[in-house]
Amino acid sequence: QTVVTQEPSLTVSPGGTVTLTCASSTGAVTSGFFPDWFQQKPGQAPRSLIYSANNKHSWTPARFSGSLLGGKAALTLSGVQPEDEAEYYCLLYSAGAWVFGGGTKLTVL
Amino acid sequence: QVQLVESGGGVVQPGGSLRLSCAASGFTFSRNAMHWVRQAPGKGLEWVAFIGYDGRKQSYADSVKGRFTISRDTSKNTLFLQMNTLTPEDTAVYYCAKAVGGSNWADFDYWGQGTLVSVSS
Repeated sequence: QTVVTQEPSLTVSPGGTVTLTCASSTGAVTSGFFPDWFQQKPGQAPRSLIYSANNKHSWTPARFSGSLLGGKAALTLSGVQPEDEAEYYCLLYSAGAWVFGGGTKLTVL
Repeated sequence: QVQLVESGGGVVQPGGSLRLSCAASGFTFSRNAMHWVRQAPGKGLEWVAFIGYDGRKQSYADSVKGRFTISRDTSKNTLFLQMNTLTPEDTAVYYCAKAVGGSNWADFDYWGQGTLVSVSS
């Protein structure tokens, strides 16, 4: 089964920029993996941010962007706000199944 | 507006069964694929099951294959997850999630608030 790997934790200063990545054990992540990104705050349901690598939902703040970078899916936050402190999960589709990464805990400090 | 409301969670003994429901509104349910995702206490998200817009295609995580069944009732705009032979490892909050829709069956957009399933003797 595919294993999806994310950074366990990252720290960023308010106003700064940070990039989270998502790698697949099967090789380079491409658009065919339909990479999605989700934000989850404590006690809340996940919220979808990015779909198919680089598409934003209508509610996704402009400071969030998705891309494919160096064989991985990437989520970049530019001009980080305190309310962006959360757990971030990526999701990849592969061979008829979906697999979440372990999540990245983003601290804004 | 899109709403997904899960129900049916609760406490069940190991080996028991439970059926979860997800009531959908605010979109054309019959045109969208749907998913179940779970989250064990203090852990990350785990994809559980998928069903195509017309119910003809399903897929499951290895951890639940043969024990869980996903289904849908278009007349009631409701998604189901039948869970059998439950073990303590199935203890989690279960979320239903909607696929983006149209020709896009693979990406997620809306999520419900979840229902807690606790498997314990």
